Amino acid sequence: AQSVTQPDIHITVSEGASLELRCNYSYGATPYLFWYVQSPGQGLQLLLKYFSGDTLVQGIKGFEAEFKRSQSSFNLRKPSVHWSDAAEYFCAVGAPGGGGNKLTFGTGTQLKVEL
Amino acid sequence: GAVVSQHPSWVICKSGTSVKIECRSLDFQATTMFWYRQFPKQSLMLMATSNEGSKATYEQGVEKDKFLINHASLTLSTLTVTSAHPEDSSFYICSARAADRYGYTFGSGTRLTVV
Repeated sequence: AQSVTQPDIHITVSEGASLELRCNYSYGATPYLFWYVQSPGQGLQLLLKYFSGDTLVQGIKGFEAEFKRSQSSFNLRKPSVHWSDAAEYFCAVGAPGGGGNKLTFGTGTQLKVEL
Repeated sequence: GAVVSQHPSWVICKSGTSVKIECRSLDFQATTMFWYRQFPKQSLMLMATSNEGSKATYEQGVEKDKFLINHASLTLSTLTVTSAHPEDSSFYICSARAADRYGYTFGSGTRLTVV
């Protein structure tokens, strides 16, 4: 069974500082990997995804993530955080292939940005 | 891009009544839809997966008779919370996936409060 671990429940960074949110997954092969962001009371917005190919993935809002097979990780990074980035971030894993493959989500990381 | 509309955004109902939540894919055919439940400060818990024209597949521990899911068309899935009780109060989110691509689009969620 697939699983996702986000070790950091809360992270606080200063505006303008760099950010890295950790994500580790467990899956028998190379999974499909996703990062989503959720603002309070809202649905989820896709930041980026990895299916195959280049292990450094660029997403929206200046975010990027790097897939590291040896570490079973897919950490999210941003070089300079903006106050509007404060939100909940979820890493998710899905099984490759067609059909209605479901996503498994991590427990989320709450990001606070200090001005 | 793919858009999923979820209604209502919030609903308050009396204990013992039923509530229907709609999830519509506006610009693509959603062969598979997923329903999640999210408790405050927690991750998304998959409740069920529904494929158009088929019965929904419920996750372990989710009451089928309480959470009725209908996916009668390629653009609409509904979740009906029957005989709602205060413990059913939660944030419910749907997501939809098209058959021809591996991507999930989320609705904006429904805040259900049972009083």
